[in-house]
Amino acid sequence: DADVTQTPRNRITKTGKRIMLECSQTKGHDRMYWYRQDPGLGLRLIYYSFDVKDINKGEISDGYSVSRQAQAKFSLSLESAIPNQTALYFCATSLGQGTDTQYFGPGTRLTVL
Amino acid sequence: QKEVEQNSGPLSVPEGAIASLNCTYSDRGSQSFFWYRQYSGKSPELIMFIYSNGDKEDGRFTAQLNKASQYVSLLIRDSQPSDSATYLCAVNPPGTNDYKLSFGAGTTVTVRA
Repeated sequence: DADVTQTPRNRITKTGKRIMLECSQTKGHDRMYWYRQDPGLGLRLIYYSFDVKDINKGEISDGYSVSRQAQAKFSLSLESAIPNQTALYFCATSLGQGTDTQYFGPGTRLTVL
Repeated sequence: QKEVEQNSGPLSVPEGAIASLNCTYSDRGSQSFFWYRQYSGKSPELIMFIYSNGDKEDGRFTAQLNKASQYVSLLIRDSQPSDSATYLCAVNPPGTNDYKLSFGAGTTVTVRA
């Protein structure tokens, strides 16, 4: 089984709809992250959480919100989706010690029409 | 100026040749440097990380770091068609104890059989 899972893997929605992307991990890591990836722009950090009570904005948090329901679960919400939020979204986790390597989930491809 | 810059490519190399990828970063105090490989439509996976000036070798991959010149490179020796992917450079900016990463947009490598 994958250590970091994301649901759904693909989603097409309409402008104005509320969307939730979910991330679960079995790696036992405290730190979790949400990124979006756009062609030519690389990965950009939306939100990150170092534990259930510690949530922080990344560089592009406007239009997004998150919830850390448990150590293993971190959800990303788009309150009112807009077309320029069409992107590939990745969840990542890290241990928070040593090299603190980030491990990525398989991604969610979101299309907002 | 972007924090992390990479040539977008594509970089085309014949099978068996050396592929050389470069990455420059803007924050002189950056301490940690990572190379990720991303196959089309898949999630990034860590190839290697480097902290100290000089070379670090892992199998067919060698990372080179020059902090004075603010660049980090990745060499892929004996390139194989399976190395065809996008390679992402990531840097841990200075002044952050929370291990946030800044990613470059990636260099696409194509290995010709």
